[in-house]
Amino acid sequence: AQSVTQPDIHITVSEGASLELRCNYSYGATPYLFWYVQSPGQGLQLLLKYFSGDTLVQGIKGFEAEFKRSQSSFNLRKPSVHWSDAAEYFCAVGARRGGGADGLTFGKGTHLIIQP
Amino acid sequence: GAGVSQTPSNKVTEKGKYVELRCDPISGHTALYWYRQSLGQGPEFLIYFQGTGAADDSGLPNDRFFAVRPEGSVSTLKIQRTERGDSAVYLCASSPTGALRTDTQYFGPGTRLTVL
Repeated sequence: AQSVTQPDIHITVSEGASLELRCNYSYGATPYLFWYVQSPGQGLQLLLKYFSGDTLVQGIKGFEAEFKRSQSSFNLRKPSVHWSDAAEYFCAVGARRGGGADGLTFGKGTHLIIQP
Repeated sequence: GAGVSQTPSNKVTEKGKYVELRCDPISGHTALYWYRQSLGQGPEFLIYFQGTGAADDSGLPNDRFFAVRPEGSVSTLKIQRTERGDSAVYLCASSPTGALRTDTQYFGPGTRLTVL
């Protein structure tokens, strides 16, 4: 069965500094990989997704992620964070489930804190 | 256009009571998902609907949980004989067809259920 590990529960970054959030996955085949962001009181919002092709994926809000098959990783990056980026970030792997459905398996999330 | 909506936003109930949580997906989306997010965890898959039928209910924790989608749009998650361990945020998501490769799952803001 597929699984996702986000090793960092909390990360604190100064405003304007660069950011990298780590994600490792376990899945037997080529995975579909996703990053979602969850702000307080808001629903999960998709930042970006990877299916195939170019291993560097661009998303919304200036985020990007790089798929590294050899490391089973899909780390999220941003060159310069803004205070509004403070939120919970979830990495997810998508796979075919029973019944023919495509489902998402999420990591436990990383809480991003932005220091002024 | 309107996103996924969920009602109520908060529900407090007593142990042993019955509750219903409602999800209104984006109009025209045939795929609908329920997830449960416990404190400090990522969302966990509960059930997936394709149209009116539950294509995959393997994530429902036990037979106290049941969900319906009688007309292929609105869905209701029903929990009987609630227990304190059922306390969580229940998330609903919808997507146009259910295929992760081509679709995006759009999430609602969730219903926070508290069982006293």
